[in-house]
Amino acid sequence: AQSVTQLGSHVSVSEGALVLLRCNYSSSVPPYLFWYVQYPNQGLQLLLKYTSAATLVKGINGFEAEFKKSETSFHLTKPSAHMSDAAEYFCAVSLQTGANNLFFGTGTRLTVIP
Amino acid sequence: TAGITQAPTSQILAAGRSMTLRCTQDMRHNAMYWYRQDLGLGLRLIHYSNTAGTTGKGEVPDGYSVSRANTDDFPLTLASAVPSQTSVYFCASRLANTGELFFGEGSRLTVL
Repeated sequence: AQSVTQLGSHVSVSEGALVLLRCNYSSSVPPYLFWYVQYPNQGLQLLLKYTSAATLVKGINGFEAEFKKSETSFHLTKPSAHMSDAAEYFCAVSLQTGANNLFFGTGTRLTVIP
Repeated sequence: TAGITQAPTSQILAAGRSMTLRCTQDMRHNAMYWYRQDLGLGLRLIHYSNTAGTTGKGEVPDGYSVSRANTDDFPLTLASAVPSQTSVYFCASRLANTGELFFGEGSRLTVL
């Protein structure tokens, strides 16, 4: 069975500082991995995805994530936090793009301190 | 473009009453999903539909039913609501070739 673990339900960073949100996955086969962002009172929207092509994936709003098979990780980073990055971030895993389910992590709430 | 439209955005419901949450998409995606979001638990799949006329159970299907009469609509029904069904419900559809999910803005349901 596949699952994801997001380390840290809350992360606070200063504006301009590095953002690092951690995600580890478990999967019996090579996974498809996603990061979604949820702004207050909105649905989730896709930030980026890994589907077995390049291991370093670039997404919207300056975010990127690196798939590391040896560490079973897919951490999300951004070099310089902006106030508008404050949101909840969800990591998700699927066995294939057409799978019936994405398994979501429990989410990490990012706070950006001015 | 509208994408996924959910209604109502918020509802307070007495326990034992029935309720249907509506979901409509205008992207002609085959696959659609209902998730519930609860604090500390992330999103959990309730039911899904791979194409019109078919549905399947997700991780937490008990107490919920769905139908998929056509491509655009995927309503979620609570036949007899209980307080544990208090949650935020999200409808989503999937773009087939990338696997990306598109979400509605959610329906906040409170069962008293």
